[in-house]
Amino acid sequence: EADIYQTPRYLVIGTGKKITLECSQTMGHDKMYWYQQDPGMELHLIHYSYGVNSTEKGDLSSESTVSRIRTEHFPLTLESARPSHTSQYLCASSEGAVAYEQYFGPGTRLTVT
Amino acid sequence: DAKTTQPPSMDCAEGRAANLPCNHSTISGNEYVYWYRQIHSQGPQYIIHGLKNNETNEMASLIITEDRKSSTLILPHATLRDTAVYYCIVREHNTDKLIFGTGTRLQVFP
Repeated sequence: EADIYQTPRYLVIGTGKKITLECSQTMGHDKMYWYQQDPGMELHLIHYSYGVNSTEKGDLSSESTVSRIRTEHFPLTLESARPSHTSQYLCASSEGAVAYEQYFGPGTRLTVT
Repeated sequence: DAKTTQPPSMDCAEGRAANLPCNHSTISGNEYVYWYRQIHSQGPQYIIHGLKNNETNEMASLIITEDRKSSTLILPHATLRDTAVYYCIVREHNTDKLIFGTGTRLQVFP
């Protein structure tokens, strides 16, 4: 079983608030990812990191930002939440130069009112 | 865009084999076929992957056609807990990016 955690699992927040979604893994994986998924739709990669102090934007443009100060921690921040940010956010990690498997966390379901 | 085509939904009786097809007619020589599943909006779970040979693990079997333009994921004895969305993904071996399509929603019924 994958040791990757996301908090909070559910968040309802008002427009304009700053929020940080937490993602942590205890597997020592260098690579971490954030995906966004609207209900019933595909997952889209929005950010990824190949190690400490490395962050890149994914295939889907996002107003969120990420940081990678520690190997195990990859938080995602929205400076000013809007209703269009309502979605599920999934964090994942993988190991090695060529990783066969990405391990996913349980996700954070964000609702912005 | 996803490089695969899957039926949007399938049904399977509990205890029977579930055969989930996937078309990937534009697959290139260095691209692998991966399967993941997502149970009720949880995080996706890796199932299996292959290049050109058939593969089997404790969860499923993967059959890839000789021309590699299509594949089938087989769950040999489906259970109610196998109800999920199954994603077929084509991915280059030297990249970590997964491009998810819409997948196949498998419903296992009693």
